[in-house]
Amino acid sequence: NAGVTQTPKFRVLKTGQSMTLLCAQDMNHEYMYWYRQDPGMGLRLIHYSVGEGTTAKGEVPDGYNVSRLKKQNFLLGLESAAPSQTSVYFCASSSGTGNTGELFFGEGSRLTVL
Amino acid sequence: AQSVAQPEDQVNVAEGNPLTVKCTYSVSGNPYLFWYVQYPNRGLQFLLKYITGDNLVKGSYGFEAEFNKSQTSFHLKKPSALVSDSALYFCAVRDINTGGFKTIFGAGTRLFVKA
Repeated sequence: NAGVTQTPKFRVLKTGQSMTLLCAQDMNHEYMYWYRQDPGMGLRLIHYSVGEGTTAKGEVPDGYNVSRLKKQNFLLGLESAAPSQTSVYFCASSSGTGNTGELFFGEGSRLTVL
Repeated sequence: AQSVAQPEDQVNVAEGNPLTVKCTYSVSGNPYLFWYVQYPNRGLQFLLKYITGDNLVKGSYGFEAEFNKSQTSFHLKKPSALVSDSALYFCAVRDINTGGFKTIFGAGTRLFVKA
């Protein structure tokens, strides 16, 4: 059981370049999330989705776009990368059981923007 | 706005001693509280949660947490620490004001267990 899988695990970009991070989950979860983790700041929510075809903004959505074309996949895109987007990105999913479901996380994607 | 605070950046404890990692919360209504652990270069793993019922919640790896409504706290505890417990610990609250879809995390507390 793979759980939540993120690709790629590492990436180095130059300022202005674009890229997409892919998240896939095999638990049939309704909810999926993208977080970024920066030292001393915990995890901050970028975007999330409550079901196939739906997305919503989190705390720090600027500079990012997302898509949920299939229930099992949640893509995070950077159209024009900036050094401030250097971070570790985590995808997570949870079941659609209201407020009580815990999150299942991927292993993270470390992005460096030069 | 709902929030959680972890007042300690780092906690140091000797192996075999009890450990406590502190968390306080600020929510409107009933809190749904969680603890997660992150080992180096890994994603977060769920440890335990409080939704309702008994104030003492037991979770994975021998951890437990005590919900205290009057002190708005949800401290993580373990009776006897192991070196392998050394990791980054996050307290979190489910944001029910937005339909419960979002989880808000504290800044994290790094636990060092010395042999």
